[in-house]
Amino acid sequence: QVQLVQSGSELKEPGASVKVSCKTSGYTFRGFALNWLRQAPGQGLEWMGWINPNTGNPTYAQGFTGRFVLSLDTSVSTAYLQISSLKAEDTAVYYCTRDGYTSCSSTSCFDHWGQGTLITVSS
Amino acid sequence: QSVLTQAPSASGTPGQRVTISCSRSSSNIGSYSVTWYRQVPGTAPKLLIYNSNQRPSGVPDRFSASKSGTSASLAISGLQSEDEADYFCAIWDDSLNDWVFGGGTKLTVL
Repeated sequence: QVQLVQSGSELKEPGASVKVSCKTSGYTFRGFALNWLRQAPGQGLEWMGWINPNTGNPTYAQGFTGRFVLSLDTSVSTAYLQISSLKAEDTAVYYCTRDGYTSCSSTSCFDHWGQGTLITVSS
Repeated sequence: QSVLTQAPSASGTPGQRVTISCSRSSSNIGSYSVTWYRQVPGTAPKLLIYNSNQRPSGVPDRFSASKSGTSASLAISGLQSEDEADYFCAIWDDSLNDWVFGGGTKLTVL
């Protein structure tokens, strides 16, 4: 079965960096785009961007450029989100999701999700 | 950023039919493919509806969705206690190159 397993929660000080991993299994890694979303405490979902599993080319949403880097390692079917110069407002749960385009009648949808990774930024 | 508007809360009693709406004032939502997600607090969202009205395998047919004009709706019939969750709508906006989400509706089963 399709699984996306994310790395564990992290507590970081302001200004530090963090790298979240999303290990996938149960499907052809190169067949589906991977997206990252953020959910601040008590808030809704924000799309951060996506990464093309064939080219490794990332696309970032507005507001998520500069300090945010999406990458992947196809050899281990894993995607990564790195955030640098962390700020208190980066405190949130970060989700990786699969775009199940071919499973959703050729429309984009987030058909499988990682369990989420809580990043807390505090001194 | 354009957003989708959802009522913050909704409620119903077991067995009832409830409807959750999702509207966009700036454009006709009918031209977009709407997705709906359900999130039990503390867990990851789960896909409920894709392509505006289609259910992934495993989602009961108690859940249905439609859209018209500037609004989309998610209907839950035969309400059950386990339906208590937050429900989000979302669309991919080609003109913005961005996913646009609703703020979520917290459904309480009384």
